[in-house]
Amino acid sequence: GAVVSQHPSRVICKSGTSVKIECRSLDFQATTMFWYRQFPKQSLMLMATSNEGSKATYEQGVEKDKFLINHASLTLSTLTVTSAHPEDSSFYICSASTGTGLSYEQYFGPGTRLTVT
Amino acid sequence: TQLLEQSPQFLSIQEGENLTVYCNSSSVFSSLQWYRQEPGEGPVLLVTVVTGGEVKKLKRLTFQFGDARKDSSLHITAAQPGDTGLYLCAGGDDMRFGAGTRLTVKP
Repeated sequence: GAVVSQHPSRVICKSGTSVKIECRSLDFQATTMFWYRQFPKQSLMLMATSNEGSKATYEQGVEKDKFLINHASLTLSTLTVTSAHPEDSSFYICSASTGTGLSYEQYFGPGTRLTVT
Repeated sequence: TQLLEQSPQFLSIQEGENLTVYCNSSSVFSSLQWYRQEPGEGPVLLVTVVTGGEVKKLKRLTFQFGDARKDSSLHITAAQPGDTGLYLCAGGDDMRFGAGTRLTVKP
């Protein structure tokens, strides 16, 4: 099956610093990647959708200047949380899709747990 | 925005029991996906349903897509503790998720 990796799996940073999370599709080319955040015992909340080579589309309420997304290639997307604050602490998950055919199957990374102190 | 509602939100059963969880919407979907997520991990794709009325089986799990492609169900037969997890449905061009059903199977 398709494999998506995320790095790092856990990160602790100080308030005011920036953190970059990488999402890679290892054995397929992802035309579209999605970034989600998940709070404890809740479902996934879509933050943004990115297509390779173009600007990401952000969901309402998600600050694009705070959550910078770069989809540099068909196998790599990065999410940078800038000037992180404690309320940004969350589980961040990416997914990748080939976006072909009728079934937009997504393959998820293992997630990155961000803790801002 | 196509919204997906899942029910029940929480379900706690004994090992060996059967259960059904639901994913409903007022919108028509070209496809729906079901995922299972365990704590601290990303969701894992279980199945994609595409055709109205479609039934797919994955061992003890049976997935059904409604005729009108607005709803789907997941039935688990003889649940086991290993089935414990958060079950999520997702669909639509914007790939949004339902709130999920948190299943606990007690030994």
